[in-house]
Amino acid sequence: EAQVTQNPRYLITVTGKKLTVTCSQNMNHEYMSWYRQDPGLGLRQIYYSMNVEVTDKGDVPEGYKVSRKEKRNFPLILESPSPNQTSLYFCASSFWNNLGYTFGSGTRLTVV
Amino acid sequence: DAKTTQPPSMDCAEGRAANLPCNHSTISGNEYVYWYRQIHSQGPQYIIHGLKNNETNEMASLIITEDRKSSTLILPHATLRDTAVYYCIVRPRQGGSEKLVFGKGMKLTVNP
Repeated sequence: EAQVTQNPRYLITVTGKKLTVTCSQNMNHEYMSWYRQDPGLGLRQIYYSMNVEVTDKGDVPEGYKVSRKEKRNFPLILESPSPNQTSLYFCASSFWNNLGYTFGSGTRLTVV
Repeated sequence: DAKTTQPPSMDCAEGRAANLPCNHSTISGNEYVYWYRQIHSQGPQYIIHGLKNNETNEMASLIITEDRKSSTLILPHATLRDTAVYYCIVRPRQGGSEKLVFGKGMKLTVNP
């Protein structure tokens, strides 16, 4: 089944403890992206990647890192999480000719 | 900033057609109209997209006005499972930052 898989689905962590949210797609998509969703603020893009080893900042990149060493994987790294990064996170992917993005099921992160 | 305007909410009776409007008066010639929906806190789901011709797929129909300044998403026979937030987005088909800018969307409630 064609899908974008995020792990974990739920995560509670403490301030400052490094964490990684994984994202993997099995559709050979070139483009991948991370979004966060907060009440009243909607979905905002954090980082995106056009292809392997090509990444760029979205609208809210502060406090996050990404890497794209393989086409299928696009992990989101929080080196020192803070409570303001408590949010619902989504990974998305698509082909370069952009026929519509496929989103993952989401990761609900709580930083205490 | 989102380049589209949608009403904040709409109700529809189950089994009836749901017509969801969207204004995009500043759309440029190379920009497509995309529709996504988000059911509760699940990942957004791609519905349909179009440039200037009307489009139909298994989920919905998209009617774009001749001047392309507005469009309507039509769910021909709404069901309770169609209750969701619907997002109308305009963007180039390819090229650029590949960013999807989600506005506030429109909450569709399908009533029994």
